[in-house]
Amino acid sequence: DTGVSQDPRHKITKRGQNVTFRCDPISEHNRLYWYRQTLGQGPEFLTYFQNEAQLEKSRLLSDRFSAERPKGSFSTLEIQRTEQGDSAMYLCASSLGQVAKNIQYFGAGTRLSVL
Amino acid sequence: GQSLEQPSEVTAVEGAIVQINCTYQTSGFYGLSWYQQHDGGAPTFLSYNGLDGLEETGRFSSFLSRSDSYGYLLLQELQMKDSASYFCAVRGRGANNLFFGTGTRLTVIP
Repeated sequence: DTGVSQDPRHKITKRGQNVTFRCDPISEHNRLYWYRQTLGQGPEFLTYFQNEAQLEKSRLLSDRFSAERPKGSFSTLEIQRTEQGDSAMYLCASSLGQVAKNIQYFGAGTRLSVL
Repeated sequence: GQSLEQPSEVTAVEGAIVQINCTYQTSGFYGLSWYQQHDGGAPTFLSYNGLDGLEETGRFSSFLSRSDSYGYLLLQELQMKDSASYFCAVRGRGANNLFFGTGTRLTVIP
């Protein structure tokens, strides 16, 4: 257990529905990241927060995706009007301060299946 | 752009040594990291090389040659529990995220 928790672990939804995932990072970590991982691939960066500010977004993050970290603690990732192509594992990671040694602590992820 | 190349699969015998290679292409190099991920689990940090040479952490070692844009992860005294996917990673374009390779699936056989 890395200390980063994600909820739910699995989500099955129908195409067109909205879904929201939650990530609770390690408590003293000010940096939070969302990644997406599909089968047989490495994690792909989606977005990054430093405290409550969303400082970076990947081109992968379409207009249907939105992420928040309202008090600089937990974060939510919402996908609106889900599509089958959104089916993937959504991973959250956190780190403290400058990303020394590129160490990020990952949660076990939320697996999304869009039917 | 950025790219990382690593073998897709490796099989090795319990107790043996295995090397997983990674070649990279990136602007603004900030070091090469290695992560392990068991099926259904979270990626976990294994090792980091910021400078050329070998870094050793227990049974795991990692090597970097910046002039060759190349690194490897060396796993010694393989155990069945080492069966997992291994990813090399570099700092992403924004320098605030990681860019991962496609991963090497290691299978350890008795």
